[in-house]
Amino acid sequence: DTAVSQTPKYLVTQMGNDKSIKCEQNLGHDTMYWYKQDSKKFLKIMFSYNNKELIINETVPNRFSPKSPDKAHLNLHINSLELGDSAVYFCASSLTPSQGGYNEQFFGPGTRLTVL
Amino acid sequence: DAKTTQPTSMDCAEGRAANLPCNHSTISGNEYVYWYRQIHSQGPQYIIHGLKNNETNEMASLIITEDRKSSTLILPHATLRDTAVYYCIVRVQTRGYQKVTFGTGTKLQVIP
Repeated sequence: DTAVSQTPKYLVTQMGNDKSIKCEQNLGHDTMYWYKQDSKKFLKIMFSYNNKELIINETVPNRFSPKSPDKAHLNLHINSLELGDSAVYFCASSLTPSQGGYNEQFFGPGTRLTVL
Repeated sequence: DAKTTQPTSMDCAEGRAANLPCNHSTISGNEYVYWYRQIHSQGPQYIIHGLKNNETNEMASLIITEDRKSSTLILPHATLRDTAVYYCIVRVQTRGYQKVTFGTGTKLQVIP
């Protein structure tokens, strides 16, 4: 009965490879997010989708492409991985104000990506 | 979103109240104060939020000063499981747009 789940939990890969991280939420939320937490522990938002539509796209290289097949899923595909992409990636979800929620975001357990 | 300032780290004895301060002197009238925490190797967890009035839930209490320039998160009886980084965030509660900007947070160490 995990609320927000991510797979894989750990991902080790070589520079230049393409990889995907999957996220699913069973909370009935209509907004999902991707965050990156670097080695200095700064947590930065990358993307947000509302009802499968991209609403936040921070300054992220276009090697990163989120995909939302439905409201419960938001996957992150990364092309041509670089050393600087090594980080922990967190998926989150929330209700939007229009649904009367308190806007609290529920986070997944994170995916630790290591690029060698 | 308004910037926040928090102490880098704090210690608290187990069973005692942990009081975590946050300064947000540039907060505007429609910005809420949110608190999240991140236990080691886990995703952030929502704790509480408020606008003007003090708030309490099963996890914590939030005290916001009358001028709203600062707030304090209170964990009434800290346990070892409360050891975490605590983030104070201020943001506008808008329709359909939720960009939450995390700062550096306060690393709370609960000591047995």
